[in-house]
Amino acid sequence: AQKITQTQPGMFVQEKEAVTLDCTYDTSDQSYGLFWYKQPSSGEMIFLIYQGSYDEQNATEGRYSLNFQKARKSANLVISASQLGDSAMYFCAMREGLGRGSTLGRLYFGRGTQLTVWP
Amino acid sequence: DTGVSQDPRHKITKRGQNVTFRCDPISEHNRLYWYRQTLGQGPEFLTYFQNEAQLEKSRLLSDRFSAERPKGSFSTLEIQRTEQGDSAMYLCASSDRATELRGYTFGSGTRLTVV
Repeated sequence: AQKITQTQPGMFVQEKEAVTLDCTYDTSDQSYGLFWYKQPSSGEMIFLIYQGSYDEQNATEGRYSLNFQKARKSANLVISASQLGDSAMYFCAMREGLGRGSTLGRLYFGRGTQLTVWP
Repeated sequence: DTGVSQDPRHKITKRGQNVTFRCDPISEHNRLYWYRQTLGQGPEFLTYFQNEAQLEKSRLLSDRFSAERPKGSFSTLEIQRTEQGDSAMYLCASSDRATELRGYTFGSGTRLTVV
């Protein structure tokens, strides 16, 4: 089974509008972390935002916020006031086993959503 | 610090040849990861080092693949007898326990094309 599912291959949004990118996850761990990364056409993966499974508040980082619904196992990324430079591939990722002493390190990634911002 | 560096950025090789990629992590990071990303897919985990110890390996890391981090600093990923299916972007990332909740830092990747 897929650990991370991103159901939107592509999304389009007009400049200055908000957009939500969907992500659902699957884990039996109680302690895990959820990440969003941006990958421009140049290829580097740029960290955007992190949400821990025990965090009570939804994470926010500037124009990025994470709509975390634990019971639904969803971690949607909301980008407010879209800019042309936001056009890129966006990946949701999860790390399991964040308990004390954990040495696990792998991230599970979804297939990504290609966001296009138009003027 | 200039971030995570990967070399080369691009590599074209003939099928059957061996290739080696290098990753220089952020100097204070003791954790280093290799991922592979094929076209239209998200990155897939290959292996993970904590200092010089290789703690986790994916089943994707067949016997043709080997990774090392001999002194706990830079790492190399070697692919022997390359196949066309090895064509992908190979990404390296680093972190340490204090910072990884701020996101792993990725390099710009090495794009491998096997012809």
